[in-house]
Amino acid sequence: SQKIEQNSEALNIQEGKTATLTCNYTNYSPAYLQWYRQDPGRGPVFLLLIRENEKEKRKERLKVTFDTTLKQSLFHITASQPADSATYLCALLNNAGNMLTFGGGTRLMVKP
Amino acid sequence: DGGITQSPKYLFRKEGQNVTLSCEQNLNHDAMYWYRQDPGQGLRLIYYSQIVNDFQKGDIAEGYSVSREKKESFPLTVTSAQKNPTAFYLCASSRGPNQETQYFGPGTRLLVL
Repeated sequence: SQKIEQNSEALNIQEGKTATLTCNYTNYSPAYLQWYRQDPGRGPVFLLLIRENEKEKRKERLKVTFDTTLKQSLFHITASQPADSATYLCALLNNAGNMLTFGGGTRLMVKP
Repeated sequence: DGGITQSPKYLFRKEGQNVTLSCEQNLNHDAMYWYRQDPGQGLRLIYYSQIVNDFQKGDIAEGYSVSREKKESFPLTVTSAQKNPTAFYLCASSRGPNQETQYFGPGTRLLVL
């Protein structure tokens, strides 16, 4: 069956360090993968999209990698700040190309 | 000021009652979506619409109904057939039907009395 796995345990890091979040998937051949940020009680906000033919994408302090062989995406936040504390969701286009499927998200806590 | 609005922010449902959640967008997007989010869980797709007067079931459509009579509006009705409706409901839209970059509303929290 198709599955998207994100670490359900919260990730706690110190301010200034690099946070690395993982998104693993099985039985998908996604044309692209997306990362969203969600704050408590609010809707997700789009951050980055990376296509299957791209290895890496950057946006300011954010970096996403996409390894279609390992079936894994890594999401990095460099020089993390307490304001980066939120839940981060990865999302994949399903094989039929008609639905975006979300992982369960990983909560990031950046301590000052 | 473009965006997606959802109302109400909180909604209470009595047993056996149908309730309707509103979703409006002024982004001129063709596609709209409804998701359900349970505590500590990811988003699950209820229904989506790629064009006016057309919609498709998502993964968990049972107990829900939608309509898409206008491009900017995509209301969701939670019927009495939905036995566990307590959740956070999120509406989203995207420019086209290829599902890229979805823009989300602020959500409606539905509680059962």
